[in-house]
Amino acid sequence: TQLLEQSPQFLSIQEGENLTVYCNSSSVFSSLQWYRQEPGEGPVLLVTVVTGGEVKKLKRLTFQFGDARKDSSLHITAAQPGDTGLYLCAGGRNRDDKIIFGKGTRLHILP
Amino acid sequence: DAGVTQSPTHLIKTRGQQVTLRCSPKSGHDTVSWYQQALGQGPQFIFQYYEEEERQRGNFPDRFSGHQFPNYSSELNVNALLLGDSALYLCASRHRANNEKLFFGSGTQLSVL
Repeated sequence: TQLLEQSPQFLSIQEGENLTVYCNSSSVFSSLQWYRQEPGEGPVLLVTVVTGGEVKKLKRLTFQFGDARKDSSLHITAAQPGDTGLYLCAGGRNRDDKIIFGKGTRLHILP
Repeated sequence: DAGVTQSPTHLIKTRGQQVTLRCSPKSGHDTVSWYQQALGQGPQFIFQYYEEEERQRGNFPDRFSGHQFPNYSSELNVNALLLGDSALYLCASRHRANNEKLFFGSGTQLSVL
C-alpha cells in the first residue's frame, strides 16, 4: 500500500522565520506534487517535481524531490501570515495512476 | 474558462438516506476523480472515471458509486448514509495522460445527522 507521510502535522511559527516540511514514503513515485488548501476550498497545486534530485523555487518556497523519488521537502523562507494553510503532498506511480495524498501539514504563521 | 464546479456546496442528510453530488470538470479535461476529506485529514481517493467507466477505486465500500456522462461531468452517489460519511467531498479533474496537475473544485460539505 502506498503511503505518504507528512511531518510535522502542525507547525506554528512567527512571521519572518524559516521552516521545512517533509513528505516521505517507502514507495517510488513518478512525480510528487505539493498543494495548498485553505478552509472551505479545494487544494490548489503549487508545484510538481518529476526528476530525482530536482529542486524548484516558487518565490519564497523551495521544493525538492529526493534522489530515489520517495520523498520531498518544502522549505519556506521568511514566512508570512499569508502562507498560513494546509500543505499537502501527493503522488502517483505513473502518469495514468491515481493520485494519493498525505495527511497534510497545518501551518500557522503568527504576525 | 470555468474551472471545476461542484454542486451543491453544502448538504445535510440523515442516517440511512441517499445523496448525489455533482461535478463538472475543467474545460479540456476528460478524467474525474472523487476524494473524501474528513476534518483535519488529507483527501482520500474514492474512485476515478474516464471514458464513462470507473477505472480505479480506493478503499471505499460499495455504498459509494459513481457515474461519468458523455460530456465528462460526473456524479458521486452514496447510499445508506452513516454518520462517518460526514466530510468534504472533492472532485478533481485532469487530462487522462497527465496526472501531474489535478484541478479541484471547492467541494461539497456533507453533514450526516
